[in-house]
Amino acid sequence: DQQVKQNSPSLSVQEGRISILNCDYTNSMFDYFLWYKKYPAEGPTFLISISSIKDKNEDGRFTVFLNKSAKHLSLHIVPSQPGDSAVYFCAASLGYNFNKFYFGSGTKLNVKP
Amino acid sequence: EAQVTQNPRYLITVTGKKLTVTCSQNMNHEYMSWYRQDPGLGLRQIYYSMNVEVTDKGDVPEGYKVSRKEKRNFPLILESPSPNQTSLYFCASSPLTSGSEETQYFGPGTRLLVL
Repeated sequence: DQQVKQNSPSLSVQEGRISILNCDYTNSMFDYFLWYKKYPAEGPTFLISISSIKDKNEDGRFTVFLNKSAKHLSLHIVPSQPGDSAVYFCAASLGYNFNKFYFGSGTKLNVKP
Repeated sequence: EAQVTQNPRYLITVTGKKLTVTCSQNMNHEYMSWYRQDPGLGLRQIYYSMNVEVTDKGDVPEGYKVSRKEKRNFPLILESPSPNQTSLYFCASSPLTSGSEETQYFGPGTRLLVL
């Protein structure tokens, strides 16, 4: 059974509006969370991360929110741009020392001009 | 240019014919890992290595082998491939810096079809 779940396979948003991508996890021992972006025919690239001691981390247009009690994290992109169209994966790790990682199934974001 | 390279990028093979997918990184990273990506399942970790001669199982290690004889290389070996190993494979590397926000750098992927 997947320990990290992204229940929305796809999301369509108008350019300039906010994109909200969601991710749920089941293992309360996860202590580090990451978001990756993936374009077709390329490997995933790191976007933003958050440790379990924080509830928010911001980097430019990207903000990740972590709700530990709900075992839920979300990625907000504001404002969304057509170049943000990609598949987004959330991932969780059991330790800062980077050993085992668990990925969600991905959400395909389409930002319409 | 800092990068993770994988070879081959595309491979068609037949059941039972041993194959190796190579992975190399030029960033002097300690950590390397292999993933497979399947529709609806996302990326699943196959094996990882914390350093030379140190490897461990990820979530889906069955049917795969790895070795880490040099820091830069982390080949993935399928001794007897089966059709259920048809997938898109990614290699990744990362520096091992505890508590930092360093993350994994992924290769471009190897698409494998086992007939």
